[in-house]
Amino acid sequence: DTGVSQNPRHKITKRGQNVTFRCDPISEHNRLYWYRQTLGQGPEFLTYFQNEAQLEKSRLLSDRFSAERPKGSFSTLEIQRTEQGDSAMYLCASSLSPAFRRSYEQYFGPGTRLTVT
Amino acid sequence: KQEVTQIPAALSVPEGENLVLNCSFTDSAIYNLQWFRQDPGKGLTSLLLIQSSQREQTSGRLNASLDKSSGRSTLYIAASQPGDSATYLCAVTSMGSGQASPAGKSTFGDGTTLTVKP
Repeated sequence: DTGVSQNPRHKITKRGQNVTFRCDPISEHNRLYWYRQTLGQGPEFLTYFQNEAQLEKSRLLSDRFSAERPKGSFSTLEIQRTEQGDSAMYLCASSLSPAFRRSYEQYFGPGTRLTVT
Repeated sequence: KQEVTQIPAALSVPEGENLVLNCSFTDSAIYNLQWFRQDPGKGLTSLLLIQSSQREQTSGRLNASLDKSSGRSTLYIAASQPGDSATYLCAVTSMGSGQASPAGKSTFGDGTTLTVKP
């Protein structure tokens, strides 16, 4: 399968614990995005990378959230000291950079559903 | 700040009917607009992408149009089928910060939940 993959698919954690999610993009894609989606809402932008550089970060991303893409391939999203309000679906997407002058189309993974109890 | 609105929030139609979903956005300085489909509890599947210089795109029974000056896009679904039942989301990608990064982040609407009854 050459699509975007995310692990784990589901995570249940207690308030105050740290969690880490992983995203593996489509191999030739150099852009990677993280979004958060709650029930009945559209995805909200969190951050995106071009290669290993984090180009933009939403104000939604508090100090408890950090994302990395150390070698420009997979990415991790860590949430420290989780709160019940962090319960959501965390979506990852990848695309080619617009500099490639091809269709700048985002492809999404299946998401990681986080439940904080 | 870009804001994206989708109307209606929910739509129920009988099988075979043609229908139109609407998406409006507040900032016309966009790089592109993309329509997605989302099934319950799943990720997003890309349906159509329209570049800012284009007026429409077609794929099978789907046709998406873009009027950048008025901040509107429509997704037309012909001859709807029960399998089309899902939530449809539009996402607007804003212009980026310069030549090195011409496309910025994407802003999504909250979607239209479509039910096609047999």
